[in-house]
Amino acid sequence: DAKTTQPTSMDCAEGRAANLPCNHSTISGNEYVYWYRQIHSQGPQYIIHGLKNNETNEMASLIITEDRKSSTLILPHATLRDTAVYYCIVRGSASNTGKLIFGQGTTLQVKP
Amino acid sequence: DAGVIQSPRHEVTEMGQEVTLRCKPISGHNSLFWYRQTMMRGLELLIYFNNNVPIDDSGMPEDRFSAKMPNASFSTLKIQPSEPRDSAVYFCASSPAGQRGEKLFFGSGTQLSVL
Repeated sequence: DAKTTQPTSMDCAEGRAANLPCNHSTISGNEYVYWYRQIHSQGPQYIIHGLKNNETNEMASLIITEDRKSSTLILPHATLRDTAVYYCIVRGSASNTGKLIFGQGTTLQVKP
Repeated sequence: DAGVIQSPRHEVTEMGQEVTLRCKPISGHNSLFWYRQTMMRGLELLIYFNNNVPIDDSGMPEDRFSAKMPNASFSTLKIQPSEPRDSAVYFCASSPAGQRGEKLFFGSGTQLSVL
């Protein structure tokens, strides 16, 4: 599975959009991009995933560049409860299991 | 649905003792995963099962660790004998395997402290 690179930490003002970048320059054609987050003292929580098209759900939007070498997770109106570690993970669909390898992630601090 | 249920929530034990962590996956999910999280090493995948069969245990640190899944609704992670360096938060997760882009659903974790 391709390796990802994320900034160690980011700040965002409450009510503003939070844009979290992720580089995955070695991604291959059948690999998905997943985003999870972990709020302090809780288990990781699924946010969104995509292959090559942009995706949106009730939590966030995922923008994947045309060459698929990078992506951005967008939280449109960040709240204090969005303060968490955000993990970008790339995984192939070759197997039918959900094995995910977590990196260090980005610590997002939403400030009032 | 109650989600993935882990027990106990906290465990404090002494070095050398046996520790058993328990997990009940979401009903209908085919895959189950055990992760360990520490400040130094982050989230590490220890082992995962597909349809109750261990598929990859390459993340299990050593022979002191063992995991079983006797049926689709229950799994255990056992450490015998435990050591202080095993202190960590252990997470169990399940997913409906067989689908592309499947999500993992995590439990609340077991905070293990080995003194």
